[in-house]
Amino acid sequence: EAGVAQSPRYKIIEKRQSVAFWCNPISGHATLYWYQQILGQGPKLLIQFQNNGVVDDSQLPKDRFSAERLKGVDSTLKIQPAKLEDSAVYLCASSPGGAGELFFGEGSRLTVL
Amino acid sequence: GESVGLHLPTLSVQEGDNSIINCAYSNSASDYFIWYKQESGKGPQFIIDIRSNMDKRQGQRVTVLLNKTVKHLSLQIAATQPGDSAVYFCAENMATGRRALTFGSGTRLQVQP
Repeated sequence: EAGVAQSPRYKIIEKRQSVAFWCNPISGHATLYWYQQILGQGPKLLIQFQNNGVVDDSQLPKDRFSAERLKGVDSTLKIQPAKLEDSAVYLCASSPGGAGELFFGEGSRLTVL
Repeated sequence: GESVGLHLPTLSVQEGDNSIINCAYSNSASDYFIWYKQESGKGPQFIIDIRSNMDKRQGQRVTVLLNKTVKHLSLQIAATQPGDSAVYFCAENMATGRRALTFGSGTRLQVQP
């Protein structure tokens, strides 16, 4: 079974530029998550989708971050404009739904100069 | 707000010894806990989980202990191997809820040959 796919793996941009990350969850998984992991810290939830609806986006900096999951499958996370403090690994995870194990992708490492 | 935390940022052990990684949680409503392993450049990988109706759960070379009285859980790794070197995170949730996992800050395990 294919795992969670993310791209790009690495991205370097200058501050005030924009960037987009893509995630394809495990087939059939209804719930999709975007986490931000700053170096030396644990993952922090940015947004949680159930199918194509948002369950929790309370920690998403909405002035610069946006995410969508239009058809309830793939998802895109966008940052515009980027700040230096956005340098982190952006992890996508999926789960069948409800509580339980989350399956993570390899992550997209963003460096903002 | 309430969060999951870890006592030690780095643990160094000799190959073949047993490792114990500790985690304190503060959300008394949490009733589901997971340990994840994260190797450099990779996403978190599920190790073992435990629900609050259990005190102990064993897997292959790993054991998770849960002490609800003091809100503490630990991960024991038997006969630690070089391949166990990674950062370990505990995460918590509510088994009946839709809330995403909340992660602690992690402990780095270094296995000395």
